[in-house]
Amino acid sequence: DSGVTQTPKHLITATGQRVTLRCSPRSGDLSVYWYQQSLDQGLQFLIQYYNGEERAKGNILERFSAQQFPDLHSELNLSSLELGDSALYFCASSANVGLASETQYFGPGTRLLVL
Amino acid sequence: DQQVKQNSPSLSVQEGRISILNCDYTNSMFDYFLWYKKYPAEGPTFLISISSIKDKNEDGRFTVFLNKSAKHLSLHIVPSQPGDSAVYFCAASGGGNAGNMLTFGGGTRLMVKP
Repeated sequence: DSGVTQTPKHLITATGQRVTLRCSPRSGDLSVYWYQQSLDQGLQFLIQYYNGEERAKGNILERFSAQQFPDLHSELNLSSLELGDSALYFCASSANVGLASETQYFGPGTRLLVL
Repeated sequence: DQQVKQNSPSLSVQEGRISILNCDYTNSMFDYFLWYKKYPAEGPTFLISISSIKDKNEDGRFTVFLNKSAKHLSLHIVPSQPGDSAVYFCAASGGGNAGNMLTFGGGTRLMVKP
């Protein structure tokens, strides 16, 4: 158990809909990261938040957004969903500002299926 | 453009023998490398890491070797156990990117046969 929790575990929805994925980091960790794992793209970085502020952005679509709240939990919002958004979405956390030498610890993931 | 590559999608070894998983990277600015293990329906689990200032790091049965000139790293598991059967991802950070984003390889599925 990494200490990172994600809800829900599974989500089935229809195209065009909007969903929210939730992540609680390990106790004391200030940075939260979101990754997407799809069959054809592997694990890809989406976005990082540090202590409530956006820190880095990766291959995140404009239809997707995220935020980190004062209690440090984070939510990833996916809107106007398309079939291709079906994937595993992982949250990870690390202790501090996101130095390159920090280890990220991953949650169990949310499996999203868009029908 | 894949900056981190794991060219072997799968590897099969006998229990008790050595497992060697390989990873190549192209971005010479990467300065921290990690290996994660992933079981089905679970998130990646951190295994071992190495800074670019080192060429070897050991933790129990797991050793990671880094060859910066070749832009190559490898994970050695000795002795291999059936419970080691999983998908292994190498990842890199730094690379001139803001924050601490990890760039992952495509993974290698390791099967350890009893």
